[in-house]
Amino acid sequence: GQNIDQPTEMTATEGAIVQINCTYQTSGFNGLFWYQQHAGEAPTFLSYNVLDGLEEKGRFSSFLSRSKGYSYLLLKELQMKDSASYLCAVLGSWGKLQFGAGTQVVVTP
Amino acid sequence: DVKVTQSSRYLVKRTGEKVFLECVQDMDHENMFWYRQDPGLGLRLIYFSYDVKMKEKGDIPEGYSVSREKKERFSLILESASTNQTSMYLCASSFSAGVANSPLHFGNGTRLTVT
Repeated sequence: GQNIDQPTEMTATEGAIVQINCTYQTSGFNGLFWYQQHAGEAPTFLSYNVLDGLEEKGRFSSFLSRSKGYSYLLLKELQMKDSASYLCAVLGSWGKLQFGAGTQVVVTP
Repeated sequence: DVKVTQSSRYLVKRTGEKVFLECVQDMDHENMFWYRQDPGLGLRLIYFSYDVKMKEKGDIPEGYSVSREKKERFSLILESASTNQTSMYLCASSFSAGVANSPLHFGNGTRLTVT
């Protein structure tokens, strides 16, 4: 089975940086995804990591350490529209993706 | 853009009814998934399918069944709806199990209320 842990909620101010951590324990690992979900909407894909290291994509970066079972999503220059739930998901075998409970990020003015 | 369409945005059903949730994707994706999403529990995998007529149980298959007669369509069936199946149901598809970085594309969800 798989166990995926991330904080429930984080609050930060506009323009700041927030780091969302995700730890996982899995029987198989084929990569880690981060998704963003605004209230009432479907999750949308943000990033994918399969090798150790940092992947940067504009204001968002994602890091993976396979040996530690650890990832983080870094959001820089926070904007009000970044207020959303951020979902960490681990890819197992046969394309089976399992999700953490999500981290609600609240951006304040 | 990939489009994943769920037939209903909101549904209200009575306990004991048979409920069908339909999902169609237009990008010839091999994999299709049904999740339910509940506060504090995140998305939990109910069933998935990696080919026509193939199905695999996810983490919480009890009380559900699925059907995949055509590649583009994946149906979730609640044989006898119960109040604990009140939830948001999300369908998703992805390109191929052999392409590890193929992200899921989600539909907009069906909010099912069982009374």
